[in-house]
Amino acid sequence: SQQGEEDPQALSIQEGENATMNCSYKTSINNLQWYRQNSGRGLVHLILIRSNEREKHSGRLRVTLDTSKKSSSLLITASRAADTASYFCATDGSNYKLTFGKGTLLTVNP
Amino acid sequence: DAGITQSPRHKVTETGTPVTLRCHQTENHRYMYWYRQDPGHGLRLIHYSYGVKDTDKGEVSDGYSVSRSKTEDFLLTLESATSSQTSVYFCAITDQGYGYTFGSGTRLTVV
Repeated sequence: SQQGEEDPQALSIQEGENATMNCSYKTSINNLQWYRQNSGRGLVHLILIRSNEREKHSGRLRVTLDTSKKSSSLLITASRAADTASYFCATDGSNYKLTFGKGTLLTVNP
Repeated sequence: DAGITQSPRHKVTETGTPVTLRCHQTENHRYMYWYRQDPGHGLRLIHYSYGVKDTDKGEVSDGYSVSRSKTEDFLLTLESATSSQTSVYFCAITDQGYGYTFGSGTRLTVV
């Protein structure tokens, strides 16, 4: 069963706009990670946020974590066409085993 | 991705035949994983390894076995392939869980 569930399932925006994706999970975690997958390719690690952190930034990415609500959000600012991809959240609960959500398909239109 | 390769990249096999997929890493990472990716299901963990000869089952392990006889190689075997095992298989590695590196995937079709 999936631990994380992303919302929305699909998101279409214009270049330059911000994109926000949400992730909810069910059980306690050590950390939560976000990955990007371009069509037909492997997943690429974007950012990791530990359970004792509330917010983290990396370039145009901003991740928040609310452990009381068991939820996280990924914000991509000033989107580019190259950001078009599927984005997955993954939770690491124990023994370094990642459990993935089903992903959000982001389309950034030029 | 650098440091991890999967082979083959594509394979078509017949129902009932055994199939072995290989994951090779050059990072000397302790942890290795096999996931499958299917539409509507995201990625699901099949098996993982936390050291040489140390493996454990994941969420969808039925019909699969693994072996890890040395640090750099993690093999996934479909003992008798079925059409339900048609999927894209990804290998991943990590050292201490601080971000996982994924291979490029193996697209397996069972006919």
